Amino acid sequence: EVQLVESGGGLVKPGGSLRLSCAASGFAFNNAWMTWVRQAPGKGLEWVGRIKRKADGGTPDYAAPVKNRFIISRDDSKNTVYLQMNSLNIEDTAVYYCSAGLGVTDFDSWGQGTLVTVSS
Amino acid sequence: QTVVTQEPSLTVSPGGTVTLTCASSTGAVTSGYHPNWFQQKPGQAPRPLIYSTSNKHSWTPARFSGSLLGGKAALTLSRVQPEDEAEYYCLLHYSGSQLWVFGGGTKLTVL
Repeated sequence: EVQLVESGGGLVKPGGSLRLSCAASGFAFNNAWMTWVRQAPGKGLEWVGRIKRKADGGTPDYAAPVKNRFIISRDDSKNTVYLQMNSLNIEDTAVYYCSAGLGVTDFDSWGQGTLVTVSS
Repeated sequence: QTVVTQEPSLTVSPGGTVTLTCASSTGAVTSGYHPNWFQQKPGQAPRPLIYSTSNKHSWTPARFSGSLLGGKAALTLSRVQPEDEAEYYCLLHYSGSQLWVFGGGTKLTVL
């Protein structure tokens, strides 16, 4: 069974940093493109970025609002993708979901999300 | 900044048919945007329904279909059921920048 479990969310002050993790199981993680999507309270979905599998270069791409502040990385030995979030501001408050591309799309399977709250 | 626009809300009667649309600020939506559609119910993660304009996932009910309509991506729900009440999001791919952009979502009420 495919499982994605996000962790690392919590309360952080503006200007602070936080690292989210997404632990994957039930599929060949090293073959999957992994994506982060967020959802501010009561708002819509926002694509944050994704990282390709190593065979396709392993490079990340980012949405404009997070570029140069967020870093997506992966550790295939741990079946885990990370989202390092720096210079956080109130607008980054959201539930952060990870999704896995299992061969059909980049978004075939989703985790349940982890809440990040940026507040003083 | 690229904007993807959906109807904020729609209402449909049980057993009826409704079409949700998805427009891009850059112009007509084509298959090259690889339109995806997701369903989200309160407190749940999004669930993929349609990819690459009209392809269904193995779990997508047959009453859901995707298409291109008048320069937009479209999601049509036929024989609507009460459990179809949810928020629906489209997602488009912009190949030039290698980025994806979600629409603002359509809240579908079944009444």
